[in-house]
Amino acid sequence: SAVISQKPSRDICQRGTSLTIQCQVDSQVTMMFWYRQQPGQSLTLIATANQGSEATYESGFVIDKFPISRPNLTFSTLTVSNMSPEDSSIYLCSASPIGDNEQFFGPGTRLTVL
Amino acid sequence: EDQVTQSPEALRLQEGESSSLNCSYTVSGLRGLFWYRQDPGKGPEFLFTLYSAGEEKEKERLKATLTKKESFLHITAPKPEDSATYLCAVRDFNKFYFGSGTKLNVKP
Repeated sequence: SAVISQKPSRDICQRGTSLTIQCQVDSQVTMMFWYRQQPGQSLTLIATANQGSEATYESGFVIDKFPISRPNLTFSTLTVSNMSPEDSSIYLCSASPIGDNEQFFGPGTRLTVL
Repeated sequence: EDQVTQSPEALRLQEGESSSLNCSYTVSGLRGLFWYRQDPGKGPEFLFTLYSAGEEKEKERLKATLTKKESFLHITAPKPEDSATYLCAVRDFNKFYFGSGTKLNVKP
């Protein structure tokens, strides 16, 4: 298994600003993912964070809006850029440990954009 | 094309009333079917992994089973603290596909 922490746990931001969310895993992992979850909805995959290379984005998500870094096997960041109220959501980081098929989740970051 | 479909969307049970949640899936190279529990405002909590038809896993009042096309999460004599959204996911090579979840409400 893997224990995943996220910072911040929540934030309230102004329209037009950017927020960077950090994700730290307690062990080395192969894949790391970033999801968005609207209230009462299921998970929507934003991108797969690739160590040492550019992230792989899902349809409807672009690097300019959601730049992602993954400098090593235990850490990743997601930036939500030029925010609007429509970006208000819970953002979840997840990871799949080396040798495991499972995916484990962090506690999430609740973002409110005014 | 949906890879994972969960039913029902919502389920209300009385405490002690057993039931089952369904997860049907279509993937070409299954590398695991996963069940998660999610409480409001929190990240999904991993429950089970199933790999092959006929496999079963149990944890307290929960038992997960798998066939070639679907999985069931059986809840025996549920308690109010079992109230949560239960998510099903499948892994197809290096991609994960999540269902929309079943919101379970167990009333005392």
